[in-house]
Amino acid sequence: DGGITQSPKYLFRKEGQNVTLSCEQNLNHDAMYWYRQDPGQGLRLIYYSQIVNDFQKGDIAEGYSVSREKKESFPLTVTSAQKNPTAFYLCASSTERGLNTEAFFGQGTRLTVV
Amino acid sequence: QQQVKQSPQSLIVQKGGISIINCAYENTAFDYFPWYQQFPGKGPALLIAIRPDVSEKKEGRFTISFNKSAKQFSLHIMDSQPGDSATYFCAASGEAAGNKLTFGGGTRVLVKP
Repeated sequence: DGGITQSPKYLFRKEGQNVTLSCEQNLNHDAMYWYRQDPGQGLRLIYYSQIVNDFQKGDIAEGYSVSREKKESFPLTVTSAQKNPTAFYLCASSTERGLNTEAFFGQGTRLTVV
Repeated sequence: QQQVKQSPQSLIVQKGGISIINCAYENTAFDYFPWYQQFPGKGPALLIAIRPDVSEKKEGRFTISFNKSAKQFSLHIMDSQPGDSATYFCAASGEAAGNKLTFGGGTRVLVKP
């Protein structure tokens, strides 16, 4: 089955720790995205990548980092600089850049600071 | 700056009724307007989408109406069912706007049996 796999589903972070959220897709999509969702709020863009080895900051990139070394993978690191990391994180992918087409989302990772 | 404004935040409708959700956008570079449906604990899934060359698109019980001059678009859910209870997000994107989806704040819809 083609799709987007996010792991883990639940993640707990201690204060001062960096944690990495995994996102893998086998849809052969060029573009990948990370969004943050807070309770009762919309999705806010953290980072996006339209091609391997290239990525851009979204609206709320501070305290986060990403890499795009492979087409299939777009991991997100939540650093200790992110002051309020508790949220639901969603990864998405879409087809060729330059075309506005459907974005496919993973099932999300719920991150909690303990 | 919120580029896509969505209303209402929540909506309760009786089974069989019509749910209407409205969105307004600011960036005239947007040229793709999808609606996503999200169930609790899940990722959003595309429901229906429209481009500005048409004023209406219908898929089953779901209809998008688009008003380019007013920079507004809306989702109508006809004959609402309890299974439609979810959060709905409008979104917008465009190549000239960076090719990334900008989402509205979401509308939580509850359909009462």
